[in-house]
Amino acid sequence: SQQGEEDPQALSIQEGENATMNCSYKTSINNLQWYRQNSGRGLVHLILIRSNEREKHSGRLRVTLDTSKKSSSLLITASRAADTASYFCATDDHKLSFGAGTTVTVRA
Amino acid sequence: GAGVSQSPSNKVTEKGKDVELRCDPISGHTALYWYRQSLGQGLEFLIYFQGNSAPDKSGLPSDRFSAERTGGSVSTLTIQRTQQEDSAVYLCASSLESRWNSPLHFGNGTRLTVT
Repeated sequence: SQQGEEDPQALSIQEGENATMNCSYKTSINNLQWYRQNSGRGLVHLILIRSNEREKHSGRLRVTLDTSKKSSSLLITASRAADTASYFCATDDHKLSFGAGTTVTVRA
Repeated sequence: GAGVSQSPSNKVTEKGKDVELRCDPISGHTALYWYRQSLGQGLEFLIYFQGNSAPDKSGLPSDRFSAERTGGSVSTLTIQRTQQEDSAVYLCASSLESRWNSPLHFGNGTRLTVT
């Protein structure tokens, strides 16, 4: 079974709006990573957050981590059409386990 | 610098044939990973290399699947007697360090279609 599970499965928003997606996991972790995948391409690393961190920012991206709830969220602010992609969280159990992803569509 | 390179980008093969997929990691990256992604699905872990050794082969779906890495660099994933359920995108990634402490750099994958 997958360690990380993203929610929602799909998200459609208007350009300029914020997009929030969540990741839940089952076992304790050392770090959690978020990746983006554009159609037909490989995954691109976005942010790594360690278990002793609660929040991390990178440009328009904000990641939070709540180890007590075993959950993380990824917020994309002021979305652009180029943000249209699938987003995956990955957790470090004995292998790097990816969820099924959240597909984000940003409408112009 | 060059990223992770995978070849071929697309492969169509007949059921029962063997296929070999190649991955060239980023120079200097000691860890290399293979994942499989079916249409609209997440990533399924297959195997992980640290240098030339594979500490974790737990994800290989069957004994038809094997992988090797030589010289701490190029890796090949071989699927023998391919079946239709093997159709998927096979993704390779490398990282500077092992044990999931550093980001993975992915190639664009090999799309395998078994007819």
